Amino acid sequence: AQRVTQPEKLLSVFKGAPVELKCNYSYSGSPELFWYVQYSRQRLQLLLRHISRESIKGFTADLNKGETSFHLKKPFAQEEDSAMYYCALGYNTDKLIFGTGTRLQVFP
Amino acid sequence: NAGVTQTPKFRVLKTGQSMTLLCAQDMNHEYMYWYRQDPGMGLRLIHYSVGEGTTAKGEVPDGYNVSRLKKQNFLLGLESAAPSQTSVYFCASGLAGLSSYEQYFGPGTRLTVT
Repeated sequence: AQRVTQPEKLLSVFKGAPVELKCNYSYSGSPELFWYVQYSRQRLQLLLRHISRESIKGFTADLNKGETSFHLKKPFAQEEDSAMYYCALGYNTDKLIFGTGTRLQVFP
Repeated sequence: NAGVTQTPKFRVLKTGQSMTLLCAQDMNHEYMYWYRQDPGMGLRLIHYSVGEGTTAKGEVPDGYNVSRLKKQNFLLGLESAAPSQTSVYFCASGLAGLSSYEQYFGPGTRLTVT
């Protein structure tokens, strides 16, 4: 069965420090991976998807099929990056399964 | 455009009571979803719909029913609420086809069952 694991509930860093939010997945098919973000008092929204290989707000994520990982990275964290981050796996063409989320706190 | 809206925002129910949560979207999306979010468990799919008049079970459907009579609305019903259904409920919508994994979320409904 498909599964998404985010091992860290909370990640705290200082402004300017590098950030890596971990995500591992289990899926027998060809995976489509996403990162969603929920800022305080805002809706959950798509941050980026692996297929587009883009950088959004300085964040990047590379799909590593060998390690079944899709870690989210940013070289220099900003205070406005503080939010809840969810890794998600698309399956059966129309559904997402979400990880349990990682709260990122960026201190000044 | 309002995007995805949810009614009500908050609700407190007693065990055994029933209620309906309403989700509406104005983006002409084919797909709609209901999730519940519990501490430490992320979002779990309750039911979903791939078009008007269709519904399907998700990961945690027990105790819930849904209806999609109009394309823009997706209703989630609790026939006999239980304390285990205390949660934050999110509705989402999305396009059919290759973009169906990009979902647009509502603001959530916080439900407490006592």
